[in-house]
Amino acid sequence: EAQVTQNPRYLITVTGKKLTVTCSQNMNHEYMSWYRQDPGLGLRQIYYSMNVEVTDKGDVPEGYKVSRKEKRNFPLILESPSPNQTSLYFCASKLGGWPGELFFGEGSRLTVL
Amino acid sequence: TQLLEQSPQFLSIQEGENLTVYCNSSSVFSSLQWYRQEPGEGPVLLVTVVTGGEVKKLKRLTFQFGDARKDSSLHITAAQPGDTGLYLCAVLNTGGFKTIFGAGTRLFVKA
Repeated sequence: EAQVTQNPRYLITVTGKKLTVTCSQNMNHEYMSWYRQDPGLGLRQIYYSMNVEVTDKGDVPEGYKVSRKEKRNFPLILESPSPNQTSLYFCASKLGGWPGELFFGEGSRLTVL
Repeated sequence: TQLLEQSPQFLSIQEGENLTVYCNSSSVFSSLQWYRQEPGEGPVLLVTVVTGGEVKKLKRLTFQFGDARKDSSLHITAAQPGDTGLYLCAVLNTGGFKTIFGAGTRLFVKA
């Protein structure tokens, strides 16, 4: 089954404790992206990757890091989480081309105390 | 100020009613997409419109792209509880590398 898989789905952590949210897709998509979703603000892009070893900032990259060492994986790293990073996070991927259909994971709900 | 303004923000209706939600901007776009997000899940693409004035139908859902390609509407005929969800419009930025979403319209259809 074609899918984007995120882990963990739910996480409660404390300020400053490094964490990684993993994202994996099995559709051989070139493009991958991370979004955060907050009430009233919709989905805002954190980082995106056009292909392996090619990443760039989205609209809200502060406090986050990403890497794209393999085509299928695009982990999101919070080096020192803060309470304002409490949010619902989505990973998405799409094949190249315009405008393309984004395929989303089921989301990871993160709470930073 | 958001690039895409969606209205209404929230809509609660009875099963069988018709409704229209809107996605507006002052910018011109080469394409516009509508996604639906059900509770506990990620958004799923419903439709892509690319031509000004274009109308697309998906069962009871009718999507229209404005003539000037600045706005779009989604009309649902005879809404059903299964239509409940968050409806998001989205556009690609000029470079085509970022998909920008509106804040969404949250629809609740009561049985």
